[in-house]
Parts: sequence; C-alpha cells; structure tokens
Amino acid sequence: EVQLVQSGAEVKKPGESLKISCKGSGYTFTNFWIGWVRQMPGKGLEWMGIMSPSDSETRYSPSFQGQVSISADKSISTAYLQWSSLKASDSAIYYCVRGDHGDYWGQGTLVTVSS
Amino acid sequence: QSALTQPRSVSGSPGQSVTISCTGTSSDVGGYSYVSWYQQYPGKAPKLMIYDVNKRPSGVPDRFSGSKSGNTASLTISGLQAEDEADYYCCSYAGSSFVFGGGTKVTVL
Repeated sequence: EVQLVQSGAEVKKPGESLKISCKGSGYTFTNFWIGWVRQMPGKGLEWMGIMSPSDSETRYSPSFQGQVSISADKSISTAYLQWSSLKASDSAIYYCVRGDHGDYWGQGTLVTVSS
Repeated sequence: QSALTQPRSVSGSPGQSVTISCTGTSSDVGGYSYVSWYQQYPGKAPKLMIYDVNKRPSGVPDRFSGSKSGNTASLTISGLQAEDEADYYCCSYAGSSFVFGGGTKVTVL
C-alpha cells in the first residue's frame, strides 16, 4: 500500500527555522517526483514546488522560489520542506503529494507561527 | 503565474449533473493535456479524481468525468450524490511548475 506519512504539527515563533518531512512507503521512492502544497486556514490549495528524488532536480512555483527549500534523502525515502526564517503568514497546512498527477497525498502537517 | 479561475460554488439536486469550469491561459490549461481535479472534504487531504484532463484513477466512480476546450477545463459530476458535497480544485501544468484553481464548493441540495 502506497503511503506518504508526514511529520507532526509544529508551533514556532517568527524568525525560527523549520524542516518538516514526508516519508514514502509501498513504492519505489525514486520513481516518482514529490511535491508540496500549501493550504492556508480556510483557503484553497497552492502549489509550492516539486522534486525528483532520483536526481534532486527541483522546480519551484514563482510565488515560493527563495521562500522555502525542498530536499530529499532517498536512502530513507523521505522528502523535506524547509524554512530558514518563518513568518506568521507561513501558518498553514502543508501537504506532500506523489508525482505530477498527485495520486497520493500525505495527511498534512499543520504549521503555526506565532509570537 | 495566476491561479486558475473556478466558480466559487455550484449546486444541484441528487441525480442531477453539475459542471465545474476551470479557466486558465494558453500557458497552462490551453497549452498542455495535464489537468487534474481533486476532491477535498473539510479537514481531510485532497483526493485525485481526474488526471490528464479526462482519465479516472482506479476506484473513482465513472460519474466523474473531465474534458477540456481551449483554455478551459471542466469537471462534470453526473447523477449527483450526497457524498459528492465537497470542495473541488483543478490543477494544470504550467511549463516547469503547476498551478491550482481557487476551488469550487459543490452543494447537494
């Protein structure tokens, strides 16, 4: 069974750094791109970026370029989304999603940034 | 890169058909045959319903169908059921990245 299991909810202060994870199982991790999607409270889905775990090629939405970093450790079938300095406006649920079709989604990670 | 345009809401009675439009540009919807549709219930992760404009993943009822004409893609739900009440999002490839629509709330009357 294909699964994407994300790390738990986070509460951070503005300016802090954060790295959340997404572990894939039930399939060959390097055969599918992994993407990240943001959903702010009560709002729609926003595509952030996507990465190929096999060669680390990464593409970002212009809205998120330079704001976040996507990476992966294929030895443990895990993708990451990272911030170096969080803002209150980064408070949202973040989903990882498999492939360019988005056929499997993680359960979401709630990130709360508040002073 | 602007979000694709969807109606905020559509509604229909059980058994009826509803169609959700998703309008983009020649740089996204009109330029590629890579439009997906997702269903999302409150508090839940989205679920893929249609990919590559009109393909249904295994397990998705054939009441759901997709199409595209020019810069506008559409999702049609035929024989509307109470369980179809949810938010629906389109998503298109936009040449090295993807873009979502703003989402449409489907209400079953």
